[in-house]
Amino acid sequence: KAGVTQTPRYLIKTRGQQVTLSCSPISGHRSVSWYQQTPGQGLQFLFEYFSETQRNKGNFPGRFSGRQFSNSRSEMNVSTLELGDSALYLCASSLAGGLASNTGELFFGEGSRLTVL
Amino acid sequence: AQSVAQPEDQVNVAEGNPLTVKCTYSVSGNPYLFWYVQYPNRGLQFLLKYITGDNLVKGSYGFEAEFNKSQTSFHLKKPSALVSDSALYFCAVRDYMFSGGYNKLIFGAGTRLAVHP
Repeated sequence: KAGVTQTPRYLIKTRGQQVTLSCSPISGHRSVSWYQQTPGQGLQFLFEYFSETQRNKGNFPGRFSGRQFSNSRSEMNVSTLELGDSALYLCASSLAGGLASNTGELFFGEGSRLTVL
Repeated sequence: AQSVAQPEDQVNVAEGNPLTVKCTYSVSGNPYLFWYVQYPNRGLQFLLKYITGDNLVKGSYGFEAEFNKSQTSFHLKKPSALVSDSALYFCAVRDYMFSGGYNKLIFGAGTRLAVHP
């Protein structure tokens, strides 16, 4: 079974630009979450999507947004990039919430490393 | 609010010696606890989880964790460390609301494990 796939793996942008990151979850997983990882703040939850709906959102400004498609693939977008947005962005997939078989573990992709200059 | 704490930024151990990486938690209700490992420039890999049942949980790569309810701890252990175990280890607790159905993990700050030959 293929794992979580994130693209691109590495990218460099300049301040003020915008970026879109893509995530394909494990087949059969309908929940996709995004996390930001930085040396100073650690792993911070961005948002979670299920059935094309955002179910939960972390404490990030409106410049950070996401969406999920009918095939469960997800994208996140960051507009008006700032230097502090440089981070590893991790996508994770999991079984749908509410299922008895869902014990909550997340399965992570390799991440997209964003550098903002 | 759910939280986890990893009191050690770094743990150093000699190859062949037992290792322990500490984690304490604070939750309302029954905790769902997880350990993940991260190698450089990679995503997080799931090691093991505690949901219910035996307090000693066995996971991948020879790791195990001991759930202690009275001490609210979930320490990661391995009887004999390998140099290849050197990585960043994260403890996490599930933040889940059935009514909302969302999946979210709250991570500790991480502990860097260095195994010396």
